[in-house]
Amino acid sequence: AQKITQTQPGMFVQEKEAVTLDCTYDTSDPSYGLFWYKQPSSGEMIFLIYQGSYDQQNATEGRYSLNFQKARKSANLVISASQLGDSAMYFCAMREGRDNYGQNFVFGPGTRLSVLP
Amino acid sequence: NAGVMQNPRHLVRRRGQEARLRCSPMKGHSHVYWYRQLPEEGLKFMVYLQKENIIDESGMPKERFSAEFPKEGPSILRIQQVVRGDSAAYFCASSPPIADTQYFGPGTRLTVL
Repeated sequence: AQKITQTQPGMFVQEKEAVTLDCTYDTSDPSYGLFWYKQPSSGEMIFLIYQGSYDQQNATEGRYSLNFQKARKSANLVISASQLGDSAMYFCAMREGRDNYGQNFVFGPGTRLSVLP
Repeated sequence: NAGVMQNPRHLVRRRGQEARLRCSPMKGHSHVYWYRQLPEEGLKFMVYLQKENIIDESGMPKERFSAEFPKEGPSILRIQQVVRGDSAAYFCASSPPIADTQYFGPGTRLTVL
């Protein structure tokens, strides 16, 4: 069964607008971590934001925020004030298990975001 | 602070040859992970290693693939007798023992002719 689902293969957004990239996850573990990575055309994986399952508040990092809805098992990424440089693939990932001790990540299939001038 | 280093960045091999991919984790990181990314797909976990130990190799193909992380030196992902289907980007990530996240290297793009 898919553990991470990203239902939007591609998204378009106008420059300076906000955009939400969807991510739903499946786990029975009460302790887990959720991550978003950006992969530009150059290919590297850039860490954007992290949300722990026990965190009370939604994570924010600059223009990135994570809309964490635990009951719905969703962890959508919100990018505010989109820039042309935000055009890239975006991957949602999950790490299961307590204390973050050396667990591998499960990645979703990704969403390709294109920012239009 | 140097990030995760991978080399080579690009590797071309003919069918039947061996491919060796190297990964040097970030300073202070003792855990290394290898992932494979096929074109237009997400990353798939292959193997998780600590120094001199393989902790989880559930994502490794049963044949031709092996990984090590010796006491000294980088982690090595070795693919013997490569086939065209091995063409992919191979990413290494590292973390300290207790970690909120994994930090990825730039990847090695393997092309099998």
